[in-house]
Amino acid sequence: QVKLLQSGAALVKPGASVKMSCKASGYTFTDYWVSWVKQSHGKSLEWIGEIYPNSGATNFNEKFKGKATLTVDKSTSTAYMELSRLTSEDSAIYYCSSYPFAYWGQGTLVTVSS
Amino acid sequence: DVVLTQTPPTLSATIGQSVSISCRSSQSLLDSDGDTYLNWLLQRPGQSPQLLIYSVSNLESGVPNRFSGSGSETDFTLKISGVEAEDLGVYYCMQATHAPLTFGSGTKLEIK
Repeated sequence: QVKLLQSGAALVKPGASVKMSCKASGYTFTDYWVSWVKQSHGKSLEWIGEIYPNSGATNFNEKFKGKATLTVDKSTSTAYMELSRLTSEDSAIYYCSSYPFAYWGQGTLVTVSS
Repeated sequence: DVVLTQTPPTLSATIGQSVSISCRSSQSLLDSDGDTYLNWLLQRPGQSPQLLIYSVSNLESGVPNRFSGSGSETDFTLKISGVEAEDLGVYYCMQATHAPLTFGSGTKLEIK
């Protein structure tokens, strides 16, 4: 059974960074791109970027270049996304997805507040 | 960026009714490889999105066959033939032909 298990909710201060994880199981992690998607409260979905676990190659939405950093740990089948210089505009639920888009994590809620 | 315009923004249906959702793209979604990367997703309340249809008309494994997709180039339609209570939520079209990937603004399906 394929699962993407994301890390728990985070409350972070403005200007800080946050790193979240997405642990894959039930399929060959290195075979499929992992995408990250942002959903602000009550709004639609935004594609942040993607990473290919086998090589570490990445593609980004220009809007999120400099904001998001994508990495993977092949040994644990885990993808990571770090968001930097956080503002209130970064408060959202962040999803990872793979296979492509057939599998989704449960989402990580990030709240940026002092 | 490719803009996907979904209509209607909200839809109210009775159980058993058939409904359609439109998704219009600002550019052709026909890729140079001959495929058209237009998908449909459903996000039930409080849940993650779920893939229903990929590449315009291919039903994702495990998705009931009351869902169907059609269209080409810039005009696409998701049809639900006989709405069931579990179909309530927000439906999104998304395109993966052009970078960056983009999503429609969503169509909220309510059950009367």
